[in-house]
Amino acid sequence: DAGVIQSPRHEVTEMGQEVTLRCKPISGHDYLFWYRQTMMRGLELLIYFNNNVPIDDSGMPEDRFSAKMPNASFSTLKIQPSEPRDSAVYFCASSLGSGANVLTFGAGSRLTVL
Amino acid sequence: ILNVEQSPQSLHVQEGDSTNFTCSFPSSNFYALHWYRWETAKSPEALFVMTLNGDEKKKGRISATLNTKEGYSYLYIKGSQPEDSATYLCASKTSYDKVIFGPGTSLSVIP
Repeated sequence: DAGVIQSPRHEVTEMGQEVTLRCKPISGHDYLFWYRQTMMRGLELLIYFNNNVPIDDSGMPEDRFSAKMPNASFSTLKIQPSEPRDSAVYFCASSLGSGANVLTFGAGSRLTVL
Repeated sequence: ILNVEQSPQSLHVQEGDSTNFTCSFPSSNFYALHWYRWETAKSPEALFVMTLNGDEKKKGRISATLNTKEGYSYLYIKGSQPEDSATYLCASKTSYDKVIFGPGTSLSVIP
């Protein structure tokens, strides 16, 4: 398996533009997590899914952020409109089962909003 | 404790020194404690997962312990090497499968 795949790796956009980040989890993993990494807050949980269903989105900063998981092999995190304070590295991670299994992370998407 | 906390924030040790860091987590709804190693420009990679009070895990020179009653875990590195330089993250998994990370401890091992 190629691991958790995220795209794009780097995105530079202007304030007000829509940004879509993509994630392909490891095949067979039924949990998918979106995290945001910033200097101030470290790895911050935004939302997580189980079997494509959002379980907890309390970490999503505001209505400008939305996430979907239309099927078991694909998830998106969308920011519309983007703002400079959204600049961060966004990580996707997946895991198998609800037991003590660890997370496998993607390489991250570095977003810069000018 | 409401959040996952780690101390110290950063640590500089000489090659060959042994060191340890602390992770504190909420004991309510606790299910598992993870430790990850995060090298610069890479993604976090799992080291250990522990669930039971008194659990101890070891991988080479690195080991970890868990106290679920008081809500803390220790990570130990014996005989630190320059390649151990990284940020070490702990994460608490709740019974609702929510995984919350601490801010990390940044370790620099000086040759």
